[in-house]
Amino acid sequence: AQSVTQPDIHITVSEGASLELRCNYSYGATPYLFWYVQSPGQGLQLLLKYFSGDTLVQGIKGFEAEFKRSQSSFNLRKPSVHWSDAAEYFCAVATGTASKLTFGTGTRLQVTL
Amino acid sequence: GAGVSQTPSNKVTEKGKYVELRCDPISGHTALYWYRQSLGQGPEFLIYFQGTGAADDSGLPNDRFFAVRPEGSVSTLKIQRTERGDSAVYLCASSLNPRTGGGYTFGSGTRLTVV
Repeated sequence: AQSVTQPDIHITVSEGASLELRCNYSYGATPYLFWYVQSPGQGLQLLLKYFSGDTLVQGIKGFEAEFKRSQSSFNLRKPSVHWSDAAEYFCAVATGTASKLTFGTGTRLQVTL
Repeated sequence: GAGVSQTPSNKVTEKGKYVELRCDPISGHTALYWYRQSLGQGPEFLIYFQGTGAADDSGLPNDRFFAVRPEGSVSTLKIQRTERGDSAVYLCASSLNPRTGGGYTFGSGTRLTVV
């Protein structure tokens, strides 16, 4: 069965600094990978997804992620963080049919001014 | 509608009672999912509908949980004999066709508290 590990429970960065959130997955076949963001009291918003092709994926709000098969990783990056980026971030993997997502436990991002 | 609508947004119930949670997906989305998110955790899959039928219900924790989608649109998650451990946020999502790579759209969830 697939699994997702987000090793960082909580990260604090200064506004304007760069950001990298880590995600490692375990899945036997080619994964479908996602990053979602969740603000307090809100639903999950899709930031970006990887299905195939170019391993560097661009998403909304200036985020990008890189799929590295050799490392089973799909880390999320942003070159310059804004205070409004403070939220919970979830990495997820889906099976080939993309019918069911398995989420990591999330990383809470705090942004200091 | 423009997004996935879930009602109620909050529900407090007594242990042992029956509850129903409603999800109204985006119009035309054939796939519908239910997830449960406990405090400090990521969402966990419960059930997936393709049209009116449950294509995968492997995430339902026990037979107290049941979900229906009789007309292929609105879905109801039903929990019998609620327990305090059922307290969580229940999220619904819909998708036009996950097999073509479309991402899911999530609702804001129903926060269920069992006292």
